[in-house]
Amino acid sequence: AQSVAQPEDQVNVAEGNPLTVKCTYSVSGNPYLFWYVQYPNRGLQFLLKYITGDNLVKGSYGFEAEFNKSQTSFHLKKPSALVSDSALYFCAVRVSGAGGATNKLIFGTGTLLAVQP
Amino acid sequence: DARVTQTPRHKVTEMGQEVTMRCQPILGHNTVFWYRQTMMQGLELLAYFRNRAPLDDSGMPKDRFSAEMPDATLATLKIQPSEPRDSAVYFCASGLNQGKTDTQYFGPGTRLTVL
Repeated sequence: AQSVAQPEDQVNVAEGNPLTVKCTYSVSGNPYLFWYVQYPNRGLQFLLKYITGDNLVKGSYGFEAEFNKSQTSFHLKKPSALVSDSALYFCAVRVSGAGGATNKLIFGTGTLLAVQP
Repeated sequence: DARVTQTPRHKVTEMGQEVTMRCQPILGHNTVFWYRQTMMQGLELLAYFRNRAPLDDSGMPKDRFSAEMPDATLATLKIQPSEPRDSAVYFCASGLNQGKTDTQYFGPGTRLTVL
């Protein structure tokens, strides 16, 4: 079964420290992976995606994610956290349907990032 | 700055009433998605359209929910009759399905409360 897992409900980090939000996936075929961020009372905003190519993907607001095929992981990272990064982060994987690829995403349960000043 | 718009942003209604939520996808996008977000279930895909045709509505309770795209600029999600358990935030997202590089862009959501 195709799925994505975010093992941590919450990640706490001090401002200025590096942060990592974890994501692992299970798909058939090549994975297409996404990270979204949700601020309070807002919709999800696209951060970055991995389709092919370099394993390190750079996205919005200084975030990056590292694709690791052997560990089936796609962890989100940032070298120096800001208080304004505090939000809910979702990892997602595009699933394959009958007849080939679709545009359908499966989202993880989300990880709440709390950055303390 | 192109955005997905949703109306209404908030809706409070009584059990048994019909609820209609509207979404205007980004101009030129050919895929539309409806999601429901709750604390207990997280983000659930309800329905998925491509070129206005429904491709997947397996996540949607068929007895009370219906989703349509009357035209390329409007998607609707209806609940009739509504129940308290339908209380959630409903998101619409749109995308441009061009092979493998498609990304979904989300609207601000409709917060539905059914009393």
